[in-house]
Order: sequence, then C-alpha cells, then structure tokens
Amino acid sequence: ETGVTQTPRHLVMGMTNKKSLKCEQHLGHNAMYWYKQSAKKPLELMFVYSLEERVENNSVPSRFSPECPNSSHLFLHLHTLQPEDSALYLCASSHGRHGNSPLHFGNGTRLTVT
Amino acid sequence: AQKVTQAQTEISVVEKEDVTLDCVYETRDTTYYLFWYKQPPSGELVFLIRRNSFDEQNEISGRYSWNFQKSTSSFNFTITASQVVDSAVYFCALTLNYGGSQGNLIFGKGTKLSVKP
Repeated sequence: ETGVTQTPRHLVMGMTNKKSLKCEQHLGHNAMYWYKQSAKKPLELMFVYSLEERVENNSVPSRFSPECPNSSHLFLHLHTLQPEDSALYLCASSHGRHGNSPLHFGNGTRLTVT
Repeated sequence: AQKVTQAQTEISVVEKEDVTLDCVYETRDTTYYLFWYKQPPSGELVFLIRRNSFDEQNEISGRYSWNFQKSTSSFNFTITASQVVDSAVYFCALTLNYGGSQGNLIFGKGTKLSVKP
C-alpha cells in the first residue's frame, strides 16, 4: 500500500460518543498534519507533528486530541463533539517541515455529528 | 501577512474547452513557493505543481500549464481541451521559505471546476 491512508472514510457520531480517526503514511515522511475542511471555508490547519512531536496546535478545542505514536501513524481522538464539527478531516504528510515540501494528502474522513 | 485569492468560486465548461483558473497571492517575502492541488470527488488533495519565486518560467505538463507572473502576483492554471475527469476543486496555495509554522501552506478557497460531456 502506498501514499496516505485514512480510516474510516465516513463516520457518523452523536455528541456524547468517543471515536478516533486514523491516518497512516507509507512515504517515509517525518511530518504529519491534520486539516479540517468545512463547506465554503478555506482548509484549516489543526495540528502538526514533526518527528513524532506536536509542534503546532492552531487553537483547536480540547475535544479534538491528536496522537502520533510513530512517524507513520497519526490519530485524531474525538469526544463530545458539536454539530459544527461536521466536516471533512484530512491527514497529510511531508518530508520535513520546510515550506517547499509538498504535502501528500489522504482521502479524508467525512465526519457527521448528530 | 500572506494571502491567496481564488476569485472564481465555480466554473462550468463543456468538454474540450480550454479553461483558466486564476490565483492571486500576497506576500512581502521575496522567497516563497506556490502550489496547485486538485481535489476530486474522492476527497484527497493531489499535488500538481510547486513553483519557487525565483523561477518565473512557465511550465507545461500535458494538458496542464501554469503561468507565473510576479509583476501581477498571479499563478494561473490552464487546462487545455478539458475532460470530464478534470472535474474537481482546485486549490492554489502559498508558503514561505521557512521551516516551522512560517512554512505552513496558506490555501485559497478553491475553484470548483465542472466539465460537462
């Protein structure tokens, strides 16, 4: 398997549920990212991990909790979400955190919070 | 501050037409990188091209071509003889030549292209 793989592709959860999104990259990259894509909004960077350390958290509510156990895997743990958190969540990876490194994205997880 | 503007929200063309997607950027830095990504209905963003600010040479890749003009701060994308498979949302993005958070990609809002048979 190659590229960036995200599971599940679709997720429906109630506001009291706890769920996790998974991302796996097979590109040998050392930086991984979570982005949120809502309707009619620019892509929003949520978290950045570089060499398995969280290096950026863009004022994301604590109901979103990332985890990066190794350079190939990234999780986004979700709990007590709100309906406005419904969006497409995209994982990406890159070779280093330098500006000229292209990001490689997964297919995303379409999250619906009911 | 950096900014990317894609003024065209949606474009609809008929197959075989040529179409140009506009991208205008703002930055005070002299060294930066510009990108185009394609997001088909399947969801993933696919990297198309990266350009650095010192290379204004236009690029052609098959039916795709890019016109980078620093004088107008534009990095436009043209698809020649469009096909139905080109239907997608296209994002233009800018990043500075730094590591860390200053190197984060700044995306435009995207242009949705629909190519009808």
